[in-house]
Amino acid sequence: KNQVEQSPQSLIILEGKNCTLQCNYTVSPFSNLRWYKQDTGRGPVSLTIMTFSENTKSNGRYTATLDADTKQSSLHITASQLSDSASYICVVSSKRGGGNKLTFGTGTQLKVEL
Amino acid sequence: GAGVSQTPSNKVTEKGKYVELRCDPISGHTALYWYRQSLGQGPEFLIYFQGTGAADDSGLPNDRFFAVRPEGSVSTLKIQRTERGDSAVYLCASSFAGEGTLHFGNGTRLTVT
Repeated sequence: KNQVEQSPQSLIILEGKNCTLQCNYTVSPFSNLRWYKQDTGRGPVSLTIMTFSENTKSNGRYTATLDADTKQSSLHITASQLSDSASYICVVSSKRGGGNKLTFGTGTQLKVEL
Repeated sequence: GAGVSQTPSNKVTEKGKYVELRCDPISGHTALYWYRQSLGQGPEFLIYFQGTGAADDSGLPNDRFFAVRPEGSVSTLKIQRTERGDSAVYLCASSFAGEGTLHFGNGTRLTVT
């Protein structure tokens, strides 16, 4: 069964600090991995997307890594801001039929405090 | 429109009633997805449309749930004989074909009392 597990479940950090969120997956066949940010009461918004051949991808203060051998990904947030407080969801795509089957993690709830 | 639009944003209904949730995808996006999200959980796949047809409806939990997309644009998720366990946020997303990044709406929060 395809699964995506994220850790930690929740995290509190001080503004300006860095943090790293983890994602482990068992999805086959692998197509790509995405990190989404979901603010409270809003739909998820894509941060990064990585395919099998990509090891790292950055989007501003967000840097995602992918190790396809160990089936692990991380999302590193640099110099956190209060607006980074949100749920961060790891999504792994498996190509199936005419489209992609997405498996969602349960998310890491990040809170950035003063 | 500029983004995926979902209406209503909130819906409160009594157990046993019928509800319809609407999704207006980004213009030109042929792929449309419905997800259900419970508190503290990631979105759970319900159904995927490619154009007018349901390409994958394996996530629909039972026959009380049904979705249509008659003209390949707007989609309606229909829930019959609602139960309290149906309470959740129902998210809609769209993308170009079935390959691209999903663009999500802000969801409809359904509460069944």
